[in-house]
Amino acid sequence: DQQVKQNSPSLSVQEGRISILNCDYTNSMFDYFLWYKKYPAEGPTFLISISSIKDKNEDGRFTVFLNKSAKHLSLHIVPSQPGDSAVYFCAASGYETSGSRLTFGEGTQLTVNP
Amino acid sequence: GAVVSQHPSWVICKSGTSVKIECRSLDFQATTMFWYRQFPKQSLMLMATSNEGSKATYEQGVEKDKFLINHASLTLSTLTVTSAHPEDSSFYICSARDPRGGSQPQHFGDGTRLSIL
Repeated sequence: DQQVKQNSPSLSVQEGRISILNCDYTNSMFDYFLWYKKYPAEGPTFLISISSIKDKNEDGRFTVFLNKSAKHLSLHIVPSQPGDSAVYFCAASGYETSGSRLTFGEGTQLTVNP
Repeated sequence: GAVVSQHPSWVICKSGTSVKIECRSLDFQATTMFWYRQFPKQSLMLMATSNEGSKATYEQGVEKDKFLINHASLTLSTLTVTSAHPEDSSFYICSARDPRGGSQPQHFGDGTRLSIL
């Protein structure tokens, strides 16, 4: 039962353009969502998060949008840079589900071409 | 700088041996740590939740006798893969729950690449 899904295994974008990574979830008890960036053989690096009481959170080039009714969130990276190339995971947590216990999506490999 | 240290980063050993992986929180006390496993091109799958001073909580399908977890102090949790076999080869990642709160509920280690020959 995949409660967090990233349906696009890969995404290729030109440098300077916008990258949009999508994530869907099924568990309505999730109330906190995070995006992580990960390189091979390394642990995930936190990028940005959003609480369910918000619909947008922005931090520099990264913006996360949350659509609760659709159970959908997205990460926008603009402008995209070659150094952004990595696997991006979305994750979800619910206060009712053991506090900070995280459920991860399958990941999306982002490639930013120079 | 890193707030969670995981050691070793890479280990190769023969089938049948046991391997211990350490996870340390460096600048906070972690009553709760998590152990994940990641197969190539797949998601991070939570294996177990490590609770300081009590037994770990294992996810469904994870053998507790195979993956021994000890959380004897507020800064250290260990995962021991007992009698490891080639199918246990994977990337193991720990994280520590930050009691100070903030935007990140967990801080992750850099992972351990385990290869069983």
